[in-house]
Amino acid sequence: DGGITQSPKYLFRKEGQNVTLSCEQNLNHDAMYWYRQDPGQGLRLIYYSQIVNDFQKGDIAEGYSVSREKKESFPLTVTSAQKNPTAFYLCASSILGDLTEAFFGQGTRLTVV
Amino acid sequence: AQSVTQPDIHITVSEGASLELRCNYSYGATPYLFWYVQSPGQGLQLLLKYFSGDTLVQGIKGFEAEFKRSQSSFNLRKPSVHWSDAAEYFCAVGVRGGYQKVTFGTGTKLQVIP
Repeated sequence: DGGITQSPKYLFRKEGQNVTLSCEQNLNHDAMYWYRQDPGQGLRLIYYSQIVNDFQKGDIAEGYSVSREKKESFPLTVTSAQKNPTAFYLCASSILGDLTEAFFGQGTRLTVV
Repeated sequence: AQSVTQPDIHITVSEGASLELRCNYSYGATPYLFWYVQSPGQGLQLLLKYFSGDTLVQGIKGFEAEFKRSQSSFNLRKPSVHWSDAAEYFCAVGVRGGYQKVTFGTGTKLQVIP
């Protein structure tokens, strides 16, 4: 079954630590996205990638980093520079182009302890 | 740049009653419009989308939405709500240039009471 897998579902981080969230898709989509979701704020785009070895900053990229070494994978690292990392993180993928929809993973809840 | 407003943060309806969730957008041209549903702790599932053509769009789970250009609205409707419809609903607006240009509303949380 095709889809997007995010892991882990829950993640706890101590202040000052970097953590990496995994996102894998088997939909053969070229484009992948990372969003942050906070209560009452909807989804905000962190980074996106349209091709392997290339990615672009979204609206709230500060304190985050990504890589796209394989078409199927788009991991997100939350660095110690991210001032308020506690949030729900969603990964998505889509085909390229205008008239397209994205498919979302089940999310990772990150909590700083 | 485009924007989207969901004026209702929280809505409560009785099971079996009709539902309408409001969504207003701001954009100079015809946008692409989406409605998503999110159960607690889960990802987003697409209910329906409007790209062009018929302004009344049918989606999954018995939902429909109507694009009204004159009102800049894309309200989501369901004639009879089921308890399993309790979730958060997000309206989103996209423009040309790829999905990364999609802007999400802040969501409406739906509570269904017996």
